[in-house]
Amino acid sequence: GDSVTQMEGPVTLSEEAFLTINCTYTATGYPSLFWYVQYPGEGLQLLLKATKADDKGSNKGFEATYRKETTSFHLEKGSVQVSDSAVYFCALRGGRETSGSRLTFGEGTQLTVNP
Amino acid sequence: DGGITQSPKYLFRKEGQNVTLSCEQNLNHDAMYWYRQDPGQGLRLIYYSQIVNDFQKGDIAEGYSVSREKKESFPLTVTSAQKNPTAFYLCASSPPAGTVFSNQPQHFGDGTRLSIL
Repeated sequence: GDSVTQMEGPVTLSEEAFLTINCTYTATGYPSLFWYVQYPGEGLQLLLKATKADDKGSNKGFEATYRKETTSFHLEKGSVQVSDSAVYFCALRGGRETSGSRLTFGEGTQLTVNP
Repeated sequence: DGGITQSPKYLFRKEGQNVTLSCEQNLNHDAMYWYRQDPGQGLRLIYYSQIVNDFQKGDIAEGYSVSREKKESFPLTVTSAQKNPTAFYLCASSPPAGTVFSNQPQHFGDGTRLSIL
């Protein structure tokens, strides 16, 4: 079945540091890929998405490129801020007709940015 | 503004009691979902519904029940059979698969935190 593996957290960075959170996936067909962010005590918000190979999703300074050859969708940001502290989830929607609209989530990576 | 409303924000359950978590959406989405999130863990799918009057079990459906009588509403009941109900519950919705909107993401509510008294 489909699966998503994220780098283990927690991740602690200083403000203005470079961020990478690794995400790799296993899926058949042509999945769509997403990054969600969860701030403390809240639900998940979509951060960015990519629906086909080589697509780059971007939002609020975050970027991720859909790499089919390495089955990866790593999240990057050039300069993090304290306000980026949150839990980040990588997710995929399966590429098969039988997948429906279900999402498969990674376990989440807690990011803390210190001033 | 369109969105998903979950209520209550906090809920307490007594031993042997059933409790119902509300989820309402005004996004005109056909598909709705319930997830459970435990501390430091990812999301696990409890139940989902692709269309009114139809729903399917997810990965951890035991001890839970749902109904989908209206497009806008997908309430989740945590029954007394669920022996470890303490968790953060998230409701989501999306357009269904197999449509021109298939690549749109799931939208989430702000969650309900359930604890045992």
